[in-house]
Amino acid sequence: DAGVTQSPTHLIKTRGQQVTLRCSPISGHKSVSWYQQVLGQGPQFIFQYYEKEERGRGNFPDRFSARQFPNYSSELNVNALLLGDSALYLCASSPTGQGLVGGYTFGSGTRLTVV
Amino acid sequence: AQTVTQSQPEMSVQEAETVTLSCTYDTSESDYYLFWYKQPPSRQMILVIRQEAYKQQNATENRFSVNFQKAAKSFSLKISDSQLGDAAMYFCAYRVRDSNYQLIWGAGTKLIIKP
Repeated sequence: DAGVTQSPTHLIKTRGQQVTLRCSPISGHKSVSWYQQVLGQGPQFIFQYYEKEERGRGNFPDRFSARQFPNYSSELNVNALLLGDSALYLCASSPTGQGLVGGYTFGSGTRLTVV
Repeated sequence: AQTVTQSQPEMSVQEAETVTLSCTYDTSESDYYLFWYKQPPSRQMILVIRQEAYKQQNATENRFSVNFQKAAKSFSLKISDSQLGDAAMYFCAYRVRDSNYQLIWGAGTKLIIKP
């Protein structure tokens, strides 16, 4: 079975632009979470979606938004990019909303660089 | 506020020896999960070991074991017989059992294995 797939793997954007990151969970997993990992730091929680509904939101501005599709894939959108948005964006999937005691499987992330 | 602290930015160990990575956390909750994740250069977060707070017995997974001290809010990871493939960033993470879906992460410890 394929793991969690994220695309693109790398991208470079200019300040003020908008970006869309994509995540395909493991087949059968209904929950997707997004994390931002700035270089040299641990990940920070952005969103969790379960059964296409937002279940949790971290302390991020409204420029960050996400959605989950009927096939459980997800998109993270960031508007009006700032230099500080440069980070590795990680997607994690789990069978249910509660991750089954840490049953989150992570993708390899999208490295976003804002110039 | 719930926080996770890893006080060792970097640790090094000779191949085949034992190393312990430290983690402390702050919470007012009584029922939660603790995790150690490994992040190699491939960037994917890989679950190493997990501990449920209500279990007094320390978790063990092959060469990896934890020392969970609930009263002291300490959760250290011991790696025995260190191998070159263990070289990576190690992150300690915490999650409340039921009411919160997000993982809260420490800043990570870079583990270097000397051949």
